[in-house]
Amino acid sequence: DTGVSQDPRHKITKRGQNVTFRCDPISEHNRLYWYRQTLGQGPEFLTYFQNEAQLEKSRLLSDRFSAERPKGSFSTLEIQRTEQGDSAMYLCASSQGSGSNQPQHFGDGTRLSIL
Amino acid sequence: GENVEQHPSTLSVQEGDSAVIKCTYSDSASNYFPWYKQELGKRPQLIIDIRSNVGEKKDQRIAVTLNKTAKHFSLHITETQPEDSAVYFCAASFGSGNTGKLIFGQGTTLQVKP
Repeated sequence: DTGVSQDPRHKITKRGQNVTFRCDPISEHNRLYWYRQTLGQGPEFLTYFQNEAQLEKSRLLSDRFSAERPKGSFSTLEIQRTEQGDSAMYLCASSQGSGSNQPQHFGDGTRLSIL
Repeated sequence: GENVEQHPSTLSVQEGDSAVIKCTYSDSASNYFPWYKQELGKRPQLIIDIRSNVGEKKDQRIAVTLNKTAKHFSLHITETQPEDSAVYFCAASFGSGNTGKLIFGQGTTLQVKP
């Protein structure tokens, strides 16, 4: 399978703990996006990478959230001091090209549950 | 602000009928409008998209229309089948700097009754 892969699929943790998620985009896709989806809602943009550069972050993203894409391939999203409100599905998407109008392909997501 | 409104929130049709979902967007600079289908517990799946230089696009039973003046676009599904039942999301690209950030609508739950 050469699609977007995310790990882990599920994460259950206690409030206050740190968690880290990984996303492997489609090979050679230079653009990588993180979104968050809560039940009954559409995905909500979190952050965007072009190659290794993080070029945009949502204003809704608190300083407890950090993302990296060190070599322009896989990306990690870390949440520090997790809160109940962080419970959601975290989705990664990737696309290829120089324009903003390229198809984004999503992974299966990591479902985070905060106890 | 960055906003996409989607209607209706739920839609129930008989098998074989057509279904139409409508979206409006706030930023006239948006230039890309994809539609995603999401089944329960699965990833959003891109089913069709349209760019701002095109008014209509069709792929078998699915079509999308775009009215840039009105900032409005729609998904049309003809000859619906039970397997079309899912949540459908529209989205629009937003933001300066060519990021391709997508803002999604609230979703439409489509139920196709056999």
